[in-house]
Amino acid sequence: AQSVTQLGSHVSVSEGALVLLRCNYSSSVPPYLFWYVQYPNQGLQLLLKYTTGATLVKGINGFEAEFKKSETSFHLTKPSAHMSDAAEYFCAVRAYNNNDMRFGAGTRLTVKP
Amino acid sequence: DADVTQTPRNRITKTGKRIMLECSQTKGHDRMYWYRQDPGLGLQLIYYSFDVKDINKGEISDGYSVSRQAQAKFSLSLESAIPNQTALYFCATSDLPGQGNNEQFFGPGTRLTVL
Repeated sequence: AQSVTQLGSHVSVSEGALVLLRCNYSSSVPPYLFWYVQYPNQGLQLLLKYTTGATLVKGINGFEAEFKKSETSFHLTKPSAHMSDAAEYFCAVRAYNNNDMRFGAGTRLTVKP
Repeated sequence: DADVTQTPRNRITKTGKRIMLECSQTKGHDRMYWYRQDPGLGLQLIYYSFDVKDINKGEISDGYSVSRQAQAKFSLSLESAIPNQTALYFCATSDLPGQGNNEQFFGPGTRLTVL
């Protein structure tokens, strides 16, 4: 079975600063990895995903994440935070051969002016 | 128009009442899911369905039941609501596993409060 650990339930950065949200996964088979964002009073929206191929994946709104198999990590980064990035972010993992998706507990990002 | 819709968006009810949350999708996906979101716990899977005749329990199915009325409709019921079922509920859909069809698509959520 797969599982995800997100390090830090709350992250606060200043506008213009680097955003780094950490995600480590556990999977006995090759994983597919996802980052979702949830804005207040909305559902989850896909930011980016890793399936196969290039380990550095780019998503919407300037976010990117790198799949590091040796570290079992899939950390989300953005070079320069914007006020509109304030939201809750969820990392998720599923096996390549089924739809059983497991979510992390989420990280709430606050962006200070 | 939204691809995955949920009704109602908000509901306040009393302990012991029967509640049904509805989900409809226009994405043509066979697979549908119901999740519950609680602060600090992320999303937990309640039930999932791979087609109209296939219903499966998730991590936290106790106290819930589901009905897959059609490919496009998947309902979640609380037969006798209790306060610890107060949460945000999400419906999601997905295509068959395969290249490029890997993610789940979420509805806007239903905020349920049980008094």
